[in-house]
Amino acid sequence: SQTIHQWPATLVQPVGSPLSLECTVEGTSNPNLYWYRQAAGRGLQLLFYSVGIGQISSEVPQNLSASRPQDRQFILSSKKLLLSDSGFYLCAWSKDSHTEAFFGQGTRLTVV
Amino acid sequence: AQSVSQHNHHVILSEAASLELGCNYSYGGTVNLFWYVQYPGQHLQLLLKYFSGDPLVKGIKGFEAEFIKSKFSFNLRKPSVQWSDTAEYFCAVKEGGSYIPTFGRGTSLIVHP
Repeated sequence: SQTIHQWPATLVQPVGSPLSLECTVEGTSNPNLYWYRQAAGRGLQLLFYSVGIGQISSEVPQNLSASRPQDRQFILSSKKLLLSDSGFYLCAWSKDSHTEAFFGQGTRLTVV
Repeated sequence: AQSVSQHNHHVILSEAASLELGCNYSYGGTVNLFWYVQYPGQHLQLLLKYFSGDPLVKGIKGFEAEFIKSKFSFNLRKPSVQWSDTAEYFCAVKEGGSYIPTFGRGTSLIVHP
């Protein structure tokens, strides 16, 4: 069966420091991969999605970037964190356009 | 751009009460529809989904939702809620053939025992 791993679960980082959140999917090949940010009362905002290795689409301009170095690996990064980057980040995957998305456990990022 | 509206942001019910959470979307073409639930401290899980066929969809834990195309709605229902249904509920809509689900703002449900 397929599983999605996201880490770390919580992270506290100083302003100006770099960020790297990792997400991997097991048990499937060529998944669609997504990074969402969840804010209280504001639902899930899509940040990035990828339909293949090296292919990244950005939905909103911001201080973050994403990369997909391997088929089942999706990384969310920042060179210099801002206070406003604090939030709950969710990785998700789907098999194709005809199936639902499956979510990881999320990372609670606090920028101090 | 497509939008998804969840009208109830906070709902408080007593056990055994009936539940209906509203969800409306803006896209006029073929859609795939989802309800997700996030229990406290847990990840988002799929409650139910609609792709085609019977517009009344049965999900896990006694939940159901009805797709009404003319109203652009996909409301979630449960005839009798339990304390364990306390969670946040998200409606999501995906245009047919798209990879990207758009989520509503979520509804926080608190069920008092």
